Amino acid sequence: DIQMTQSPSSLSASVGDTVTITCRASQGISSWLAWYQQKPEKAPKSLIYAASSLHSGVPSRFSGSRSGTDFTLTISSLQPEDFATYYCQQYNSYPLTFGQGTRLEIK
Amino acid sequence: EVQLVESGGGLVQPGGSLRLSCAASGFTFSDHYMDWVRQAPGKGLEWVGRTRNKANSYTTEYAASVKGRFTISRDDSKNSLYLQMNSLKTEDTAVYYCARRGLGGNYFPFDYWGQGTLVTVSS
Repeated sequence: DIQMTQSPSSLSASVGDTVTITCRASQGISSWLAWYQQKPEKAPKSLIYAASSLHSGVPSRFSGSRSGTDFTLTISSLQPEDFATYYCQQYNSYPLTFGQGTRLEIK
Repeated sequence: EVQLVESGGGLVQPGGSLRLSCAASGFTFSDHYMDWVRQAPGKGLEWVGRTRNKANSYTTEYAASVKGRFTISRDDSKNSLYLQMNSLKTEDTAVYYCARRGLGGNYFPFDYWGQGTLVTVSS
C-alpha cells in the first residue's frame, strides 16, 4: 500500500497569513494526488485534483504543487472559513489512501 | 445540483449486519464510479471500496480491512449505491460517506460527497 504522510499534523495561523501543508507519498504516484477540506461534523469537500488543478468553485487562494513524491497545498491570505482539517489522498493505485490530516486552527 | 444522500446507519451488535444506501441525484449516476469512505470518531478518512460503472462491468475494489465482509453494489435504474456490511466489528464504527468519482480520464478523484451516515457497532 502507498502511505501518505502529511505534515504538520496541526497548524495555527491568523487571518491573512499564508500557510503550506505538505504530503509525501511512500512511492511514486505521478500527479495523482487530491486535497480535501473538512469542517467539523461536515462531509469533506474536494479542493484540488491532479496535484494542482482546482475543482470548480474553489477560490484561487488555494493552490497545489508537486516535486517528485512531495506535494504541497498552499492557502494564501487565509480567510475565516479556511480553518478546517485538510487531507491529501493518492488515487494512483488501490487501495486508495489518505494522509492522516492537518488541522488548521486560528491563532 | 449534485446530491448524495446516505441512509441506513444505526446501532448494531458485533457480528451483525447492516445495509447502507446512497441516493444520487442531479447527474447521470450510471456514468460514474462510486465509492464508500468512512471516518471513525475523531479519526481520519479511510477508503472502504469502489464500484465501477456498467461500461467497466460493475467491477469492485475493497480495502483489505473490509474485504470478504462488505459488498458494494449499485442499481442504476434507481440511482442508488449500496454497502452491505456483514460480520461487523467494533472497529467498523464510523461515519460512512458515499463519494462520486469524477469523470476525466483513467485517473480522477472524488468530486462530490454525501453528508454521511453513522454506524455504531456495540453490544
